[in-house]
Amino acid sequence: TQLLEQSPQFLSIQEGENLTVYCNSSSVFSSLQWYRQEPGEGPVLLVTVVTGGEVKKLKRLTFQFGDARKDSSLHITAAQPGDTGLYLCARGSSNTGKLIFGQGTTLQVKP
Amino acid sequence: NAGVMQNPRHLVRRRGQEARLRCSPMKGHSHVYWYRQLPEEGLKFMVYLQKENIIDESGMPKERFSAEFPKEGPSILRIQQVVRGDSAAYFCASSPPSAAKNIQYFGAGTRLSVL
Repeated sequence: TQLLEQSPQFLSIQEGENLTVYCNSSSVFSSLQWYRQEPGEGPVLLVTVVTGGEVKKLKRLTFQFGDARKDSSLHITAAQPGDTGLYLCARGSSNTGKLIFGQGTTLQVKP
Repeated sequence: NAGVMQNPRHLVRRRGQEARLRCSPMKGHSHVYWYRQLPEEGLKFMVYLQKENIIDESGMPKERFSAEFPKEGPSILRIQQVVRGDSAAYFCASSPPSAAKNIQYFGAGTRLSVL
């Protein structure tokens, strides 16, 4: 199993601050997904990145896929309490489609 | 999460009982995946099914766990003789019948508590 390492594991910040979370692997992967999960709910797909160096923006969220396709980052600008949740990165298995998840970054944004 | 329906949302069982978790995929989706999430952990893959076929069950425990996705009706994850270690959130995801199987949409999950 090729692991995904997410960092930091926990992050607590004040409203209005910026933050970046990371997802790293020792192996190359063809695509990577970012999900956000709120307590008591299922993960919600935020974005899929497939091309090395790709940058995608979703409002105040910026996702980047590393040039070598071994790492990805999620940057949130001017965080809001509504951004609080568990952020998960996941890579797919090209054979069966199963997703392999990182352990997640728990983000708390205080008002 | 819209479209993938899981029930029940919460399930309480005593040790030794059976748990049956149901998942109806999004309309038009023919691929179903089951994942388990233990407290403070990420999701772990269990099984991948298409209609009437198990494609990949590499994440399923060898005993007591089974899954099906019949031609008609929802996918079922069945856990026999539950033990306390089975307490977890179980998520179902579905994807459309295309090459983009990695694009999966999750249900809200079933939280199983074993007393």
